[in-house]
Amino acid sequence: KNQVEQSPQSLIILEGKNCTLQCNYTVSPFSNLRWYKQDTGRGPVSLTIMTFSENTKSNGRYTATLDADTKQSSLHITASQLSDSASYICVVIPLTDSWGKLQFGAGTQVVVTP
Amino acid sequence: EPEVTQTPSHQVTQMGQEVILRCVPISNHLYFYWYRQILGQKVEFLVSFYNNEISEKSEIFDDQFSVERPDGSNFTLKIRSTKLEDSAMYFCASCYAGGTGSLYEQYFGPGTRLTVT
Repeated sequence: KNQVEQSPQSLIILEGKNCTLQCNYTVSPFSNLRWYKQDTGRGPVSLTIMTFSENTKSNGRYTATLDADTKQSSLHITASQLSDSASYICVVIPLTDSWGKLQFGAGTQVVVTP
Repeated sequence: EPEVTQTPSHQVTQMGQEVILRCVPISNHLYFYWYRQILGQKVEFLVSFYNNEISEKSEIFDDQFSVERPDGSNFTLKIRSTKLEDSAMYFCASCYAGGTGSLYEQYFGPGTRLTVT
């Protein structure tokens, strides 16, 4: 069973609008939670890293939130641009200090249209 | 800005053939990784490598797979006898520190798309 579930699977938004992506996880305990952006045919690029004690982390127009009690994280994209079209992946890293135990979500495919 | 590079970008091979995927990690990084992503599926960990030896591998990384750092810059993934189900995007990644709790960034390469026919 996948321990990281992302929603929606895909979404289309108009340029300039905001959107929020969701990540629910069951991984516990965990070390940190990361959001990655993956352009088509490219490797994932880190957007934010949050430890279990952090509630929010921003990177430009990207803001991630974390509620460790409900085991939910969200990624908010403000004033979307065409270049935001990509897959956004939530990754939860268990408290095992093991890269092999990373739990990847399936990603949310975001398409920004003019 | 330093980046992880991978070659080739796309490799087509016949079932049963050997392939070698190449990666050049960021120069001062010490920890190296291979991941794969089957089309439409999530990224999966294959193997981690440190100090010239495998530090961890997944169930996917069976005897058909091997990794090597033949010199000071390259990091390779070899698949000895490819199967149809090996078709995927293979990502190399590198990191300065090995601990996942260290919050060091793991940098991914652009990937090699392997197609087995």
